[in-house]
Amino acid sequence: QQQVKQSPQSLIVQKGGIPIINCAYENTAFDYFPWYQQFPGKGPALLIAIRPDVSEKKEGRFTISFNKSAKQFSLHIMDSQPGDSATYFCAASIRGSQGNLIFGKGTKLSVKP
Amino acid sequence: DTGVSQNPRHKITKRGQNVTFRCDPISEHNRLYWYRQTLGQGPEFLTYFQNEAQLEKSRLLSDRFSAERPKGSFSTLEIQRTEQGDSAMYLCASSLGGFRGQYFGPGTRLTVL
Repeated sequence: QQQVKQSPQSLIVQKGGIPIINCAYENTAFDYFPWYQQFPGKGPALLIAIRPDVSEKKEGRFTISFNKSAKQFSLHIMDSQPGDSATYFCAASIRGSQGNLIFGKGTKLSVKP
Repeated sequence: DTGVSQNPRHKITKRGQNVTFRCDPISEHNRLYWYRQTLGQGPEFLTYFQNEAQLEKSRLLSDRFSAERPKGSFSTLEIQRTEQGDSAMYLCASSLGGFRGQYFGPGTRLTVL
């Protein structure tokens, strides 16, 4: 119940395409859902985050869609670029917790020129 | 704002030796987290500080691991009697708490021979 399940494990798109990465959870006590981008040898970088009272949030080319009833959320990257090639992680934290994040296993995105 | 810094960036040690890592959080952040990340996996929570108090520890944190945050500023993570299974990237993150994001450092890559 503490898990966040992420798919797909890897994804290849052409430049300009819109990769979509999906995450699902069971624990309804989760109330904060961030996405992180990680390049090899670097720490994860916070991209965008959402709370369950909002169905969509957009920041630049990154959009989170949130479906509370289905307990699913997804990341869309508009007009993807080769520089977006990285591993993306979804995460969640539990309401009332100290904020420690539970991460998915990651999606390795490759954007071809 | 220089971000979260971690030292050293890489550490190679022999099994049985003790190692210590340091994390300097973003200066105004009162919350500090340690995570561990193995190859192909998302980060896993280890422990959490609010100011100088260590408020939560994961079951992953065996008694060979100890963390401190004296004076609520930088933090250290020590691993005693290292084992090959301790080889991983050790990540530090800091935040202002609430629903404000956690910002990660570049990590310390530990290799135990």
